[in-house]
Amino acid sequence: KQEVTQIPAALSVPEGENLVLNCSFTDSAIYNLQWFRQDPGKGLTSLLLIQSSQREQTSGRLNASLDKSSGRSTLYIAASQPGDSATYLCAVDLQGAQKLVFGQGTRLTINP
Amino acid sequence: DGGITQSPKYLFRKEGQNVTLSCEQNLNHDAMYWYRQDPGQGLRLIYYSQIVNDFQKGDIAEGYSVSREKKESFPLTVTSAQKNPTAFYLCASKVTRLSDEQFFGPGTRLTVL
Repeated sequence: KQEVTQIPAALSVPEGENLVLNCSFTDSAIYNLQWFRQDPGKGLTSLLLIQSSQREQTSGRLNASLDKSSGRSTLYIAASQPGDSATYLCAVDLQGAQKLVFGQGTRLTINP
Repeated sequence: DGGITQSPKYLFRKEGQNVTLSCEQNLNHDAMYWYRQDPGQGLRLIYYSQIVNDFQKGDIAEGYSVSREKKESFPLTVTSAQKNPTAFYLCASKVTRLSDEQFFGPGTRLTVL
């Protein structure tokens, strides 16, 4: 059974720092991995999607990497801002299952 | 504007009642999904549908039912058989092509009184 783990569960850093969020998964047979952002009481906003054949994707200050062989992905946020404060979730799309398996998320707080 | 709408935003239910959560999308996506989110936890899949008139159970389908009579709509009914229905419910959709990203609606918060 695929399990997705995100560490740490919560992270608080000063504004301007670069930071890395981690996501690990137990089964490397995935189609893709998706990173989402969730603000309190809101739905999920897709940030980046990495196909299984790719190693990384970039969007603005965000960079996500994927290492299928080790079952790991990282989300790198450069020059963090208070507006980046949110919960970040990763999810893997299982081969043949057509569904996402989610991690529990990392709650990020950027302090001004 | 293209997107996914969910209604209502907040829903209160008395014990023993069935309630239906609405999900509509105008993205022309074939696949639609219902997830449940509990405080401090990730999302868990309830039901999903890849085409009209067909749907499959997810990991926590007990106490829930769905229908998919139109491509745009995928309503979720929370029945009285669901023992702990208080949660945040999220609907999502995607094109059925493999490796497409899922897009999410704003969610419905259901509270049992």
